[in-house]
Amino acid sequence: AQSVTQPDIHITVSEGASLELRCNYSYGATPYLFWYVQSPGQGLQLLLKYFSGDTLVQGIKGFEAEFKRSQSSFNLRKPSVHWSDAAEYFCAVGRYGNKLVFGAGTILRVKS
Amino acid sequence: KAGVTQTPRYLIKTRGQQVTLSCSPISGHRSVSWYQQTPGQGLQFLFEYFSETQRNKGNFPGRFSGRQFSNSRSEMNVSTLELGDSALYLCASSEGTGQNTEAFFGQGTRLTVV
Repeated sequence: AQSVTQPDIHITVSEGASLELRCNYSYGATPYLFWYVQSPGQGLQLLLKYFSGDTLVQGIKGFEAEFKRSQSSFNLRKPSVHWSDAAEYFCAVGRYGNKLVFGAGTILRVKS
Repeated sequence: KAGVTQTPRYLIKTRGQQVTLSCSPISGHRSVSWYQQTPGQGLQFLFEYFSETQRNKGNFPGRFSGRQFSNSRSEMNVSTLELGDSALYLCASSEGTGQNTEAFFGQGTRLTVV
């Protein structure tokens, strides 16, 4: 069965510090992987996606993620966090863009 | 280009009633999917429509149904509402259902069942 695990429910980082959000997936075929961000009461905004090719993908707002097939991971990183990055982040897996399996989410808090 | 539009944004219904939620996809997008988001279960896939046909369905009871119109707009209906149906319902649209498509989400409809 397809599944996504985000081990960290909450993460708190200081503004300006680096960030890594973890994501592990289980999927029968070669997965398509996504990271979305959600602000309170809002919908989901796509940060980045991996379909194939270069395993390091760049996204919006300075985020990047690395696909590691051997570890079934797709961790999200940002070198320097801004207070406006505080939100909930979701990793998702799917073969087609419109049927996604989501992780439980990681709430990011940013300390000033 | 306008984004995905969901109406209404907020809704309060009484247990046992039924409700219809609407989603207008991005212009040119023919695929619409629906997701339910709750604190306990997270984001769960409900169903997907493409060219007025249901392509995929999640693991929800038959009280949850949907449809898509010829202009790609979609509605979902929940009958005999239960307290547990209180959730944020998100609609996503994409150009198609093939590979390398990405889903764009609306802001959601917050349904509260009392």
